[in-house]
Amino acid sequence: KAGVTQTPRYLIKTRGQQVTLSCSPISGHRSVSWYQQTPGQGLQFLFEYFSETQRNKGNFPGRFSGRQFSNSRSEMNVSTLELGDSALYLCASSLTGKGTEAFFGQGTRLTVV
Amino acid sequence: AQSVTQPDIHITVSEGASLELRCNYSYGATPYLFWYVQSPGQGLQLLLKYFSGDTLVQGIKGFEAEFKRSQSSFNLRKPSVHWSDAAEYFCAVGAVSGYSTLTFGKGTMLLVSP
Repeated sequence: KAGVTQTPRYLIKTRGQQVTLSCSPISGHRSVSWYQQTPGQGLQFLFEYFSETQRNKGNFPGRFSGRQFSNSRSEMNVSTLELGDSALYLCASSLTGKGTEAFFGQGTRLTVV
Repeated sequence: AQSVTQPDIHITVSEGASLELRCNYSYGATPYLFWYVQSPGQGLQLLLKYFSGDTLVQGIKGFEAEFKRSQSSFNLRKPSVHWSDAAEYFCAVGAVSGYSTLTFGKGTMLLVSP
């Protein structure tokens, strides 16, 4: 059974640009969550999608957005990139998102210069 | 609001020695509890989880953890550490009701000395 796949693995962007990250969950999993990991703040929850609907959102500015498709694949978008957006972005999938364990992808390393 | 504290930022253990990583949580009821491990530049791998029932849970790679409600703790243990266990370990808490948002501790970096 394939795990969670995140693409691309690495990205370098310039301040002011926008970026889209992709996540394919484990087959059959309908919940996808996104987390940002930085050395200073640690792992922080961005948002969670289930059946194409955002169910929960963390405390991040509106520049961070996401969506989920009918096949449960998810994308997150960051507009007007800032240097502080440099981080490892992790996607996690779970069966339903309620009371089930989450499995993480390898992450996308975003560097903003 | 739920929170997780991992009091040790770094721990160094000799290969073959036992290991205990501490985790304390704050939550209004019995939470779901998890331990994840992360190697440099990689994602998080689930080591073990506690949902309910037996308070001593077994995980992969020889790890175990014990849920102690009275101490709000969920410490991770391994009887004999291998050099390949060197990594960063994260404790996380999830809500029993509601959605599966995980709140993570800051992590403990495990160094294994020969």
